[in-house]
Amino acid sequence: GAGVSQSPSNKVTEKGKDVELRCDPISGHTALYWYRQSLGQGLEFLIYFQGNSAPDKSGLPSDRFSAERTGGSVSTLTIQRTQQEDSAVYLCASSFRGTGANVLTFGAGSRLTVL
Amino acid sequence: SQQGEEDPQALSIQEGENATMNCSYKTSINNLQWYRQNSGRGLVHLILIRSNEREKHSGRLRVTLDTSKKSSSLLITASRAADTASYFCATDTLMGTYKYIFGTGTRLKVLA
Repeated sequence: GAGVSQSPSNKVTEKGKDVELRCDPISGHTALYWYRQSLGQGLEFLIYFQGNSAPDKSGLPSDRFSAERTGGSVSTLTIQRTQQEDSAVYLCASSFRGTGANVLTFGAGSRLTVL
Repeated sequence: SQQGEEDPQALSIQEGENATMNCSYKTSINNLQWYRQNSGRGLVHLILIRSNEREKHSGRLRVTLDTSKKSSSLLITASRAADTASYFCATDTLMGTYKYIFGTGTRLKVLA
């Protein structure tokens, strides 16, 4: 597609429920990133996929968080047993593998509210 | 954990003035990027500077990098109301994993 697409744009859920957030990266982009941004804060790195390599999961805050990327394209971030502190905007970005640097193209984000 | 810290956290200037924001980071890097965010949603890439570069220009933007001090600055000249946004620096690491860590951001408000 023309840009990075994220869905849903807004999600309200009850504490304890599971949620899935989807990211459609730009076609041909081999790298995909998930970040979390709490209100008025900076971006917190969650996970990074690069091609067929094992993902860098070092930013996932707990084992309730997981992500997968199927066929090197679409990615799903799953949060199990949601807690109120999970409320945030979840941002996905993709990138073509550049020479010495990746320039990230971001989606508009998925705003998650846990009641 | 955050690699970069921007300062100031917030900056308010008059239209036409220059805006300078700074980013400090902790570990050695291959490159540093600046991004802009409007309305708390997606970020837009502004400029990239590599570790062997000291200064770069793009339109009204000027970026400097001092690897000895582990710091960078972003200068926006002749600011406009439309420049009102949050600005973030992002750094990779010398490990070359292309994992980018973002700073805490500077909220810029340009008054018309």
